[in-house]
Amino acid sequence: AQSVTQLDSHVSVSEGTPVLLRCNYSSSYSPSLFWYVQHPNKGLQLLLKYTSAATLVKGINGFEAEFKKSETSFHLTKPSAHMSDAAEYFCVVSGGSARQLTFGSGTQLTVLP
Amino acid sequence: DADVTQTPRNRITKTGKRIMLECSQTKGHDRMYWYRQDPGLGLRLIYYSFDVKDINKGEISDGYSVSRQAQAKFSLSLESAIPNQTALYFCATSDPAGGFRDTQYFGPGTRLTVL
Repeated sequence: AQSVTQLDSHVSVSEGTPVLLRCNYSSSYSPSLFWYVQHPNKGLQLLLKYTSAATLVKGINGFEAEFKKSETSFHLTKPSAHMSDAAEYFCVVSGGSARQLTFGSGTQLTVLP
Repeated sequence: DADVTQTPRNRITKTGKRIMLECSQTKGHDRMYWYRQDPGLGLRLIYYSFDVKDINKGEISDGYSVSRQAQAKFSLSLESAIPNQTALYFCATSDPAGGFRDTQYFGPGTRLTVL
């Protein structure tokens, strides 16, 4: 069994300030972890993924995430927010023979001018 | 052209009607998935298919059926639509060459409203 908890349903930051979106996971397997982004009225785009290589994963648009097994966390960060980062972000875990993805409930990121 | 396409993009229908949502992909992937998205719930898996002859129920398959017509096509049907099936529906594909850690690629979504 696997599950994902996104600790904040909404995060608001000012443009140019750091972004932190928090994600905790639970998995009976050695998991793969993903962050997807969904802009308004758009599909889901892969930001980055962790697949048991380096624990610090770099993604597109300046985002990165660190896998911490001891804390069962996979938080998403960006040093400096841009207006175009405003979107909904999903933390996702994958594992097991069925290759199923389990999605978190999403974090809505607002970037203030 | 997009790798994963969904038709229609928007649909409004009435309770009791039969509805089919279609998904096509040009990525050459064997695995295809249908999800629904509801506000505050993330995406939930309805059905998935690992190849043309392999169909599996997901977390919330009741009220839905699927057909895998070819490697590139995977359709989702609502035999008798009801209002709580109003949602955003996504199709996705993945490549088994990546092992069980394969990435899924999503279509643009179909917004379905059942009145």
